[in-house]
Amino acid sequence: NAGVTQTPKFQVLKTGQSMTLQCAQDMNHNSMYWYRQDPGMGLRLIYYSASEGTTDKGEVPNGYNVSRLNKREFSLRLESAAPSQTSVYFCASSISGDASEQFFGPGTRLTVL
Amino acid sequence: AQKITQTQPGMFVQEKEAVTLDCTYDTSDPSYGLFWYKQPSSGEMIFLIYQGSYDQQNATEGRYSLNFQKARKSANLVISASQLGDSAMYFCAMRENYSGGSNYKLTFGKGTLLTVNP
Repeated sequence: NAGVTQTPKFQVLKTGQSMTLQCAQDMNHNSMYWYRQDPGMGLRLIYYSASEGTTDKGEVPNGYNVSRLNKREFSLRLESAAPSQTSVYFCASSISGDASEQFFGPGTRLTVL
Repeated sequence: AQKITQTQPGMFVQEKEAVTLDCTYDTSDPSYGLFWYKQPSSGEMIFLIYQGSYDQQNATEGRYSLNFQKARKSANLVISASQLGDSAMYFCAMRENYSGGSNYKLTFGKGTLLTVNP
């Protein structure tokens, strides 16, 4: 039982490159989330998926797209990376959208040069 | 306007003493939830404790308790008998309804860095 897994753990991109961050959970959770964490800012919600087949924008969605591939997987795509997207990205999941606990993955540290 | 405010960027406590980390919140949603997460230097986010807005009693989980004062909109985390392993960043977060319906989101504060001294 791995919980929430994220790949890759680290990534360096050049401005304008694209990449997809992968997230998977094995807890049969319905809801999944993507956050970014910047120094001094706490975590901010990028996108979330309340259930399989649905996605919604969070607080800072610009420059990102998401795909809820199936119940287990929720990917985050940067189409044209910018230095402002340098951050640590966390994926999380919960039993439902109003669950009392979100379980977090280990994070992906992304640097855009 | 900030929805979650943690006014203490850093706190120090002696090992075995108790410490209170402050958190105030602002919401118009009558059904909300408050969380505390711990983030050690290794980077993972660890759930500590949860308090629902309708819960009558303060939440407790082992050495962690949440001092919930609804009228004052505060949800302070109390750690009793601090240990060296408690040194970490602590985040307060609020779950509130988002875009109506049954969708909720978490909003995080900026965190408090706790250092436990031997």
